Amino acid sequence: GQQLNQSPQSMFIQEGEDVSMNCTSSSIFNTWLWYKQEPGEGPVLLIALYKAGELTSNGRLTAQFGITRKDSFLNISASIPSDVGIYFCAGFPSGTYKYIFGTGTRLKVLA
Amino acid sequence: DVKVTQSSRYLVKRTGEKVFLECVQDMDHENMFWYRQDPGLGLRLIYFSYDVKMKEKGDIPEGYSVSREKKERFSLILESASTNQTSMYLCASRGGQDNEKLFFGSGTQLSVL
Repeated sequence: GQQLNQSPQSMFIQEGEDVSMNCTSSSIFNTWLWYKQEPGEGPVLLIALYKAGELTSNGRLTAQFGITRKDSFLNISASIPSDVGIYFCAGFPSGTYKYIFGTGTRLKVLA
Repeated sequence: DVKVTQSSRYLVKRTGEKVFLECVQDMDHENMFWYRQDPGLGLRLIYFSYDVKMKEKGDIPEGYSVSREKKERFSLILESASTNQTSMYLCASRGGQDNEKLFFGSGTQLSVL
């Protein structure tokens, strides 16, 4: 099935650094979701975005719904070791039940 | 908080066995989903249910069936398990006022030997 392009694929960063990742689509979405998944666990919803240009925060996480409605961005500020995991986006086109998922960004934080 | 509970975290089954994966959600959500997640392939939709006793095939329904007799419970059935069904299975639900948000269970890692 279709997947969203997500970059970077992986990141190795030092504790305290900021992190940015993005997700792009060839089609327009009405909703963007960002998840974190740890090994052997199910994805946990971090942030939901509903309109173009929207900027939403959840603690040290900030996500934005791109103006073109074809992309979204996630930033993590002042990373800590427990931020380790795979982050992925999901888009939800209107009028459908089918979510489209990103390929994931694997984040490793070095203490 | 929405809670989606999958009955087993790990399962080991033999080829040809009938396998039941159970999922329960506590938020009265109308929609429930079964996905499988494989390295390099991401999340793929197996089946979707939009109401009790209602279901639709997803992208990879072959070898699977589902049952939704009660709103809170959505079961995935592998009629005759095969080794290529070894995977992480994820149940999800959505509904209510925030019905674009999709909530996942903690997953069932199934190994078919």
